[in-house]
Amino acid sequence: GENVEQHPSTLSVQEGDSAVIKCTYSDSASNYFPWYKQELGKGPQLIIDIRSNVGEKKDQRIAVTLNKTAKHFSLHITETQPEDSAVYFCAAAYNNNDMRFGAGTRLTVKP
Amino acid sequence: GAVVSQHPSWVICKSGTSVKIECRSLDFQATTMFWYRQFPKQSLMLMATSNEGSKATYEQGVEKDKFLINHASLTLSTLTVTSAHPEDSSFYICSARVGSGIHNEQFFGPGTRLTVL
Repeated sequence: GENVEQHPSTLSVQEGDSAVIKCTYSDSASNYFPWYKQELGKGPQLIIDIRSNVGEKKDQRIAVTLNKTAKHFSLHITETQPEDSAVYFCAAAYNNNDMRFGAGTRLTVKP
Repeated sequence: GAVVSQHPSWVICKSGTSVKIECRSLDFQATTMFWYRQFPKQSLMLMATSNEGSKATYEQGVEKDKFLINHASLTLSTLTVTSAHPEDSSFYICSARVGSGIHNEQFFGPGTRLTVL
């Protein structure tokens, strides 16, 4: 089955700096890679996703890149703000079936 | 995006009792819903996949007789934790899938915190 690894487990940045979170996956058949933001006591919220037919996707301050050959994908947050502080999870799935999550990254943005 | 609700948001129960958690897709029909469990500071672990009108598919290590899942309609799935014990205390999160094939997304509910005394 799919195995997703995520790094780092914690990340602390200064407000305005960029944050990068990286994930690797094991199943070359996976074709859907979403990123979720989870605030304390709440369910995960989809912030951006990418499918295997594209290499990069951007939405304002958030971007995701995918390297299918190396089987890794990354989340980039630019101009970070304190409200970006949360736990971020990457995931991988085939057609959104059997989605497997990374262990999570706790991002702290210091004002 | 689509909205998924869960009820209750939190519940405290005595050991040995059963607890039912509801998951509803509010503005769309979901043929497939998923149930996850999340322990403190850990990732989401898939418990089971629930398809409307059929039996749920459980992940390895998840007891189907303990975690009863019913997906009777396209907008409602329920998880019943039977004979709950303190080790069942966790954050239970459901999600609902909308769309099909490669054009689909999963939307998560806000979670239900279960505490078993």
